[in-house]
Amino acid sequence: GAGVSQSPSNKVTEKGKDVELRCDPISGHTALYWYRQSLGQGLEFLIYFQGNSAPDKSGLPSDRFSAERTGGSVSTLTIQRTQQEDSAVYLCASSLGGSADEKLFFGSGTQLSVL
Amino acid sequence: GENVEQHPSTLSVQEGDSAVIKCTYSDSASNYFPWYKQELGKGPQLIIDIRSNVGEKKDQRIAVTLNKTAKHFSLHITETQPEDSAVYFCAASGGGADGLTFGKGTHLIIQP
Repeated sequence: GAGVSQSPSNKVTEKGKDVELRCDPISGHTALYWYRQSLGQGLEFLIYFQGNSAPDKSGLPSDRFSAERTGGSVSTLTIQRTQQEDSAVYLCASSLGGSADEKLFFGSGTQLSVL
Repeated sequence: GENVEQHPSTLSVQEGDSAVIKCTYSDSASNYFPWYKQELGKGPQLIIDIRSNVGEKKDQRIAVTLNKTAKHFSLHITETQPEDSAVYFCAASGGGADGLTFGKGTHLIIQP
């Protein structure tokens, strides 16, 4: 596609429910990143994929968070048993080769609200 | 790991004036310093970057300076315009497994 696509753009859920957030990166980009942006905060790194594998899961805040990527393309971030502190914008980005000095292309994010 | 501090958190300037945003980093091995601009409701977008082998880089009204000795770098925007209003993030990377570390962002407001 023309850019990184994320869905849904907005998600409201009740505390304790599970949510799935989807990211469709730019075609041909091998690296995919998930970040979390809380109100007034910077970009918190969550997880990074190179192809389908995730060499760096260090940023996942708890075992309620998981992510997968299939076919070297689409990725889903799953949050189980959501808590109010999970409310944030979840941003996905992709880059061509995955080098740390490459340009990141971001999607518009999913605004998650946990009531 | 890398730690990036960014100041100020909010900056208000008159249209036409210059704006300067400053960042410091902790890891002397870092060698790549991008700046991203995030407009309301959108994801961040790269506007300029600098590598450690140069001290300054310009692109029209924006410029970035890097002082490796002091471990700080700055974004300069001249002749500010209303469309410059956004949140700006600095970042640093040493190319290792940690990837990019972002600052907390600066909300730039351009007053008409």
